Amino acid sequence: SYELTQPPSVSVSPGQTARITCSGDALPKQYAYWYQQKPGQAPVLVIYKDSERPSGIPERFSGSSSGTTVTLTISGVQAEDEADYYCQSADSSGTYRWVFGGGTKLTVL
Amino acid sequence: EVQLVESGGGLVQPGGSLRLSCAASGFTFSSYEMNWVRQAPGKGLEWVSYISSSGSTIYYADSVKGRFTISRDNAKNSLYLQMNSLRAEDTAVYYCASAGPIPDWGQGTLVTVSS
Repeated sequence: SYELTQPPSVSVSPGQTARITCSGDALPKQYAYWYQQKPGQAPVLVIYKDSERPSGIPERFSGSSSGTTVTLTISGVQAEDEADYYCQSADSSGTYRWVFGGGTKLTVL
Repeated sequence: EVQLVESGGGLVQPGGSLRLSCAASGFTFSSYEMNWVRQAPGKGLEWVSYISSSGSTIYYADSVKGRFTISRDNAKNSLYLQMNSLRAEDTAVYYCASAGPIPDWGQGTLVTVSS
């Protein structure tokens, strides 16, 4: 079955830039979405269609795509950005099945 | 404002059944594909099921195929998940989510399968 691969953890100091990658063979053909999830809360969409930012999401969140890898970049990380981040896409068979990465725990040191 | 509100979760014994509902408002529900996604305690997100806007196309994760049934009532702006033959590993928070250009998610409902 199709999989998306994320690093389990990323650590940065406040004010630095955090980059979280997500790899999958179908990513050149399917959009990627990024969700932020804090403990006890529902996931919140922070990036859609690879690089679009929903209203209300700070400009320090950005997304990019290159080949089979998409990247969530958080510039000027703040303590409140500490959370789990999940990438999501769809398989390339046209069945609209969502696929999630395993999640990345962002720790702000 | 888009709202998705799940309900119907609770404690159920292994082998039992439960029906989850998702009430949608703030958008044209009948135009949107919908999904159920779950998250077991301490684990990541897992896609469960998809239904097209008309209900004519449905997909399931292999882990729930044959036990869960997704459906919708566009007249009532509601999405459903009928869960039968429940197992301990089905214990999770279940979210409904729209599959539009900008997906929206509900707050989730907790399903606990335990004797």
